[in-house]
Amino acid sequence: GENVEQHPSTLSVQEGDSAVIKCTYSDSASNYFPWYKQELGKRPQLIIDIRSNVGEKKDQRIAVTLNKTAKHFSLHITETQPEDSAVYFCAATYSGGGADGLTFGKGTHLIIQP
Amino acid sequence: DADVTQTPRNRITKTGKRIMLECSQTKGHDRMYWYRQDPGLGLRLIYYSFDVKDINKGEISDGYSVSRQAQAKFSLSLESAIPNQTALYFCATRGPRNTEAFFGQGTRLTVV
Repeated sequence: GENVEQHPSTLSVQEGDSAVIKCTYSDSASNYFPWYKQELGKRPQLIIDIRSNVGEKKDQRIAVTLNKTAKHFSLHITETQPEDSAVYFCAATYSGGGADGLTFGKGTHLIIQP
Repeated sequence: DADVTQTPRNRITKTGKRIMLECSQTKGHDRMYWYRQDPGLGLRLIYYSFDVKDINKGEISDGYSVSRQAQAKFSLSLESAIPNQTALYFCATRGPRNTEAFFGQGTRLTVV
């Protein structure tokens, strides 16, 4: 099955600075890579996703990059704001051969310091 | 708004008791999932289902069973609860392949 490693487990940045969270995956057949944000006491919600035929995707202050050769993808948040404080999860999924489970990393607790 | 609803939201039960967590959705999705969240361990897949007749084990299915009663309903059962099943449980749904998963509000289960 798929294995997703996520680093760091905790990231503290000054408000206005950038934050980068990195993930690696093991199954070269994985082809969909979403990122979820979970605020305290709430359900995870999708913030951005990327498919294996694309190398980079951007949505306002957040961007995701994918390196299929290295089996590595990253989340970039620029100009961080207090409301960015949350736990972020990366995930990978292989949608083929009947399998279709999202495998998540262990999460990164992002802390925005005022 | 179409949503994913879990009941109960909180439950305390005793070791050895049978308990069922329920999930219903109004999104019209075929794919439904049960995840378990523990601090520092992320979200781990317990079971998933593509339709009423298709049930698949996930990473940590031991000690759990599921039932897909209809396209919109997917229940998770703990036949004999044990303390290390204390966790936050999420149900999720997905539409076609390579699309977003939508999560329920979560059920916080405590086994004493």
